[in-house]
Amino acid sequence: DQQVKQNSPSLSVQEGRISILNCDYTNSMFDYFLWYKKYPAEGPTFLISISSIKDKNEDGRFTVFLNKSAKHLSLHIVPSQPGDSAVYFCAVMGYGNKLVFGAGTILRVKS
Amino acid sequence: DAGITQSPRYKITETGRQVTLMCHQTWSHSYMFWYRQDLGHGLRLIYYSAAADITDKGEVPDGYVVSRSKTENFPLTLESATRSQTSVYFCASSDGTESEQFFGPGTRLTVL
Repeated sequence: DQQVKQNSPSLSVQEGRISILNCDYTNSMFDYFLWYKKYPAEGPTFLISISSIKDKNEDGRFTVFLNKSAKHLSLHIVPSQPGDSAVYFCAVMGYGNKLVFGAGTILRVKS
Repeated sequence: DAGITQSPRYKITETGRQVTLMCHQTWSHSYMFWYRQDLGHGLRLIYYSAAADITDKGEVPDGYVVSRSKTENFPLTLESATRSQTSVYFCASSDGTESEQFFGPGTRLTVL
């Protein structure tokens, strides 16, 4: 069973609009959540994180929202830029600092 | 160079051969990890290490061996490569609890 699910394999957004990427997890014991961004032929790079004691964390154009009761988190990018086009992975941190990743969502920002 | 590096970046091998992928980090991070990325699966943890000489299995450890004699190095060995091990392999490191992991550039491995 997948512990972390990103149900949208891809998302296409117009430049300047909001991009919303979603992620669901199954284990209510997870308490630290991260988003990574990945360009082709490169390693994933850390984007933003949130602890379970918060429900929102902002960093510039990026905001992560956590709904613990629904076991759902989302990443909002506003305004979206063409350089944001990449694969976005949601991850949850488990025991031993191990990350469990979702399958990823390909974001395309059209100019 | 500072950071986390992987070598080789690309490798083609044949079924049954032994292959070792190298990972080196310059931050003295205590934790190191190996992941594989496959379409539809995201990144899956193969092995991880909390410190030198301490390693443990992740989600998909079968067919892989790791060692960590020095803090900065974490090699991954495929003892007898199989076609199902064709993948992109990423090494990562972190310095502790609730801290992000920093990833290397990846090694694309093809097993023929």
